[in-house]
Amino acid sequence: AQSVTQLDSQVPVFEEAPVELRCNYSSSVSVYLFWYVQYPNQGLQLLLKYLSGSTLVKGINGFEAEFNKSQTSFHLRKPSVHISDTAEYFCAVSGGGATNKLIFGTGTLLAVQP
Amino acid sequence: NAGVTQTPKFQVLKTGQSMTLQCAQDMNHEYMSWYRQDPGMGLRLIHYSVGAGITDQGEVPNGYNVSRSTTEDFPLRLLSAAPSQTSVYFCASSRNTGELFFGEGSRLTVL
Repeated sequence: AQSVTQLDSQVPVFEEAPVELRCNYSSSVSVYLFWYVQYPNQGLQLLLKYLSGSTLVKGINGFEAEFNKSQTSFHLRKPSVHISDTAEYFCAVSGGGATNKLIFGTGTLLAVQP
Repeated sequence: NAGVTQTPKFQVLKTGQSMTLQCAQDMNHEYMSWYRQDPGMGLRLIHYSVGAGITDQGEVPNGYNVSRSTTEDFPLRLLSAAPSQTSVYFCASSRNTGELFFGEGSRLTVL
């Protein structure tokens, strides 16, 4: 079975500073990895995904993530954040052929301060 | 461009009452799923379906039933609501790409 760990429940950061949101996963099979974002009172939307190929994945809104198989990590990064990036970010994993059966982490609240 | 539509958006129930959360998608997606979101616990998969007539259990299926008679609709039924089912419920659909399209959520309170 797959599982996801997001160790940071909240990450405060100043506007225009870089940020990294950490995600580690556990799986006995090949995995697909995802980052989703949730703005207040909305559903989730996809930021980026890793299915195969290049381990550096670029997504929307200037975010990127790097798949590291040896460290079982998929950390999300942005070089310069904006106030509008304030939201909750969820890492998710699927695997074993069940591409759409996503297991989510507990989420990280990114709080961007002016 | 409706996408995934959930109704109702808000609902208050008394313990023991039953209700159905409706979910409809207009993207002709085969895969649909229900999640619940609770503070500090992220999203947990309740039930999912890979096509009409096929459903399966997720991580937290107890107390919930689903059916999938058409590609478009995937209702979630609570037969006897309990306070532990107070949560925000999200329906999602997908093609076989891993990208889930979520509805706006249904906030359920069980007193």
